[in-house]
Amino acid sequence: QVQLVESGGGVVQPGRSLRLSCAASGFTFSSYGMHWVRQAPGKGLEWVAVIWYDGSNKYYADSVKGRFTISRDNSKNTLYLQMNSLRAEDTAVYYCARDILEWELLNAFDIWGQGTMVTVSS
Amino acid sequence: EIVMTQSPATLSVSPGERATLSCRASQSVSSNLAWYQQKPGQAPRLLIYGASTRATGIPARFSGSGSGTEFTLTISSLQSEDFAVYYCQQYNNWPLFGGGTKVEIK
Repeated sequence: QVQLVESGGGVVQPGRSLRLSCAASGFTFSSYGMHWVRQAPGKGLEWVAVIWYDGSNKYYADSVKGRFTISRDNSKNTLYLQMNSLRAEDTAVYYCARDILEWELLNAFDIWGQGTMVTVSS
Repeated sequence: EIVMTQSPATLSVSPGERATLSCRASQSVSSNLAWYQQKPGQAPRLLIYGASTRATGIPARFSGSGSGTEFTLTISSLQSEDFAVYYCQQYNNWPLFGGGTKVEIK
């Protein structure tokens, strides 16, 4: 079945780095744009970043620009989020999500992973 | 900068009743609007995109309407599994979510 599974979350000190992974299965990963969306504890949803199906373009929310890097390895069906210079306000559940459209980008999300928790605390 | 506002923040409804949730954009997003359902401890689930198109597998009791700046999600007859938080999201520009409406049992 179509599935996204995140990993790599944990507790990290402010200023440190963390890399999240999202393993995709059950669909042709290489033909879909992919996103990261986060949710702070008890709060709403915030879009973080998007990467084109072929990795050719990447865009970020202003809140993470210059600190986070989205990437993908289509040979491994895996999406990544490298998070540097982490701040307390980055504490959230991080979800990877598939764009609705194949080969194009709609910027809406039809398949979500279960999420991985990132806690930034000293 | 677009702002997405959902109302009410909390909606108390009895099972079997109709629920009407509102979402307002501070500027036109055309029909580039989606609705998601989120239950505690779970990831969001896509319900509606294109303002009114139900996603795969979504029951017909969920319907979306509107365009421009005013949108509505209607649940025609609430089932027990429908009590959850609902988010609207515009994708006319980079994705932006509303603050959510919690639908609770009355």
